[in-house]
Amino acid sequence: DIQLTQSPSFLSASVGDRVTITCRASQDIRNYLAWYQQKPGKAPKLLIYDASTLQSGVPSRFSGSGSGTEFTLTVSSLQPDDFTTYYCQLLNRFPLTFGGGTRVEIK
Amino acid sequence: EVQLLESGGGLVQPGGSRRLSCAASGFTFSNSAMSWVRQAPGKGLEWVSGISASGTSTYYADSVRGRFSISRDNSKNTLYLEMNSLRADDMAVYYCGKDLAVADEAYWGQGTLVSVFS
Repeated sequence: DIQLTQSPSFLSASVGDRVTITCRASQDIRNYLAWYQQKPGKAPKLLIYDASTLQSGVPSRFSGSGSGTEFTLTVSSLQPDDFTTYYCQLLNRFPLTFGGGTRVEIK
Repeated sequence: EVQLLESGGGLVQPGGSRRLSCAASGFTFSNSAMSWVRQAPGKGLEWVSGISASGTSTYYADSVRGRFSISRDNSKNTLYLEMNSLRADDMAVYYCGKDLAVADEAYWGQGTLVSVFS
């Protein structure tokens, strides 16, 4: 099965900062990757799919890039609502796999 | 509007069984692959099981294979997860998900909590 390794697992930043989260796949997954945001007690919210396509309604400060085995989620200017947890997820096949998550906290 | 409503969570003893249901509406259920994803308290997301749109193919995480069984009734627009031999590490919020492998068609329910306590 394909494994997804997310880094860092924890990130401390300030409002207005540019932050990048990385997700590495154990083998080539082309662009079959999604990024989710999850707030406490809520279901995950899709941000990016197919590695770089912004889901409708998601602010343009979020962007995704990468292909093959290395992917990034970038938030160009952190807003107060963005301090929460992010996950990458394998697309296109079962078993689905999630990365371990990155918690973004206020510095 | 797409809706996924999970039910069946609650308190169960180790070794016990529980059946979760997910009632779907707002889309053509029989066209969508479905999944169960869980999240233990304070932990990350873990995919548990998936089923094809027709129900003929099923998939399981190693952690639940042989203990959990996924099924669907396309005539009732309902997804099920039969959980047997429950353990303490099965305690989690269980989410029902639609088309999670497709992403731009993905939708998640709000989850149901399964607590495993003696």
